[in-house]
Amino acid sequence: QQQVKQSPQSLIVQKGGISIINCAYENTAFDYFPWYQQFPGKGPALLIAIRPDVSEKKEGRFTISFNKSAKQFSLHIMDSQPGDSATYFCAARISGAGNMLTFGGGTRLMVKP
Amino acid sequence: NAGVMQNPRHLVRRRGQEARLRCSPMKGHSHVYWYRQLPEEGLKFMVYLQKENIIDESGMPKERFSAEFPKEGPSILRIQQVVRGDSAAYFCASSPRQNLNTEAFFGQGTRLTVV
Repeated sequence: QQQVKQSPQSLIVQKGGISIINCAYENTAFDYFPWYQQFPGKGPALLIAIRPDVSEKKEGRFTISFNKSAKQFSLHIMDSQPGDSATYFCAARISGAGNMLTFGGGTRLMVKP
Repeated sequence: NAGVMQNPRHLVRRRGQEARLRCSPMKGHSHVYWYRQLPEEGLKFMVYLQKENIIDESGMPKERFSAEFPKEGPSILRIQQVVRGDSAAYFCASSPRQNLNTEAFFGQGTRLTVV
């Protein structure tokens, strides 16, 4: 099963709050889980990524939590800012398959001032 | 170092016409991937190419769609006899090699509108 399911579809957070986006997958062959940020009219840009041998990865205000047994991973944006307002996509990749990514459906985040 | 360049940025075609989308990968990148994004949806993988070779086209519709990445020049995604359902944003990504530790960089996309 190649699907990656992402929730919620949209999210409104107050400035300074925590934004949490969740993803779940079925295929245990996935071995790389990136998150992409996309602004309107732009292409996706890699935000942060994790491999399944690590349970958490933090880069600045962005943290990925990974639960291998549950086949779930999530993105936490701490101290959310209006400039974080964008669409966020989780994705997954299979080892040996180059960079062919399976994307979640996306979460449209709005951070209110 | 210029990023992945896609052109045109916007393309309008009438039903039945052909659409040609071009992608120039980042300098030094020999692997190209095409994705399609329908409105309000995530990106869906279409095809993976290296220079002069199609590596994986499992996401390509069986008819009307083709892709190439010649030895010289950009990668081309070609859609023949376009229909309204082909309206979408088409993104190209490139990477330097097939490796677990490499990232694919995306272009800004071509937004195809079929009228």
